[in-house]
Amino acid sequence: QVQLVQSGAEVKKPGSSVKVSCKASGGTFSSYTISWVRQAPGQGLEWMGRIIPILGIANYAQKFQGRVTITADKSTSTAYMELSSLRSEDTAVYYCARDYLTYRQKSSGWFRRFDYWGQGTLVTVSS
Amino acid sequence: DIQMTQSPSSLSASVGDRVTITCQASQDISNYLNWYQQKPGKAPKLLIYDASNLETGVPSRFSGSGSGTDFTFTISSLQPEDIATYYCQQYDNLPLCTFGPGTKVDIK
Repeated sequence: QVQLVQSGAEVKKPGSSVKVSCKASGGTFSSYTISWVRQAPGQGLEWMGRIIPILGIANYAQKFQGRVTITADKSTSTAYMELSSLRSEDTAVYYCARDYLTYRQKSSGWFRRFDYWGQGTLVTVSS
Repeated sequence: DIQMTQSPSSLSASVGDRVTITCQASQDISNYLNWYQQKPGKAPKLLIYDASNLETGVPSRFSGSGSGTDFTFTISSLQPEDIATYYCQQYDNLPLCTFGPGTKVDIK
C-alpha cells in the first residue's frame, strides 16, 4: 500500500518561495511518477507538474513554467515542489499524488491515474 | 489546450436517487478520462479510471461511461456518504492533464 505524507502548513510573504515535501512509503518510489496538484480556497483542482524519479525528468504546466521546480530524492523516497515569486493567488492546498502510468498494447496507448494522494499542505501567502 | 466542462455544477438529490454527472472535452480524448471524489477538507479519491473502470474497493453503485468527447458518471443509488464534489480528469496529451470544474453533490 502506497502512502504519501506531506510536510506541514506554511505561511509565506509575497515574493518569497516555498518548498513542500512528499515522502512515499510502500511500493518502489523510483518506479513511479509523482504529480503535484493544487486547490485554491473554494476552487477546483489544478495540475502543476510531475516528476519521474528514476529519470529525474520533470514536466510542468505552462502556467507554472519558470516558477515551479519539482525534484525527487530517490535515497529518501521524497518528492519536492518548490514555487517561487509567491503571490496571494498562490494561497492554496498543494497535493502530491502517485501518477500511475501503464501501457496497454491492446489499445496502443498510455493510461494514467492518480491513485494515491498525500494529505495536502496549506500554503498561505500573506504580507 | 483541452478544456473540460462538467454539468451540472451542483445538484441536490434524495437518498436512493440515481445521480448523473456529465463531462465534456473540447476535443476527442478517447477514453483517457478519470473520475475523482473529494470530500470537504480531504484529498481527492480515485473512483473511476479509463472512463469506465471501477477502482479497487470503490462501491459498485459508482460507474462511468463514454468515449471521445462525452462522458457520464453515475451513482445508481445516492448514499449520505456520497456527499462530495466530483471531478473528471483528462490526460489525452501526456504529460499534461486537466480537471473539470467539479460537480458538488448534496442531499435534498
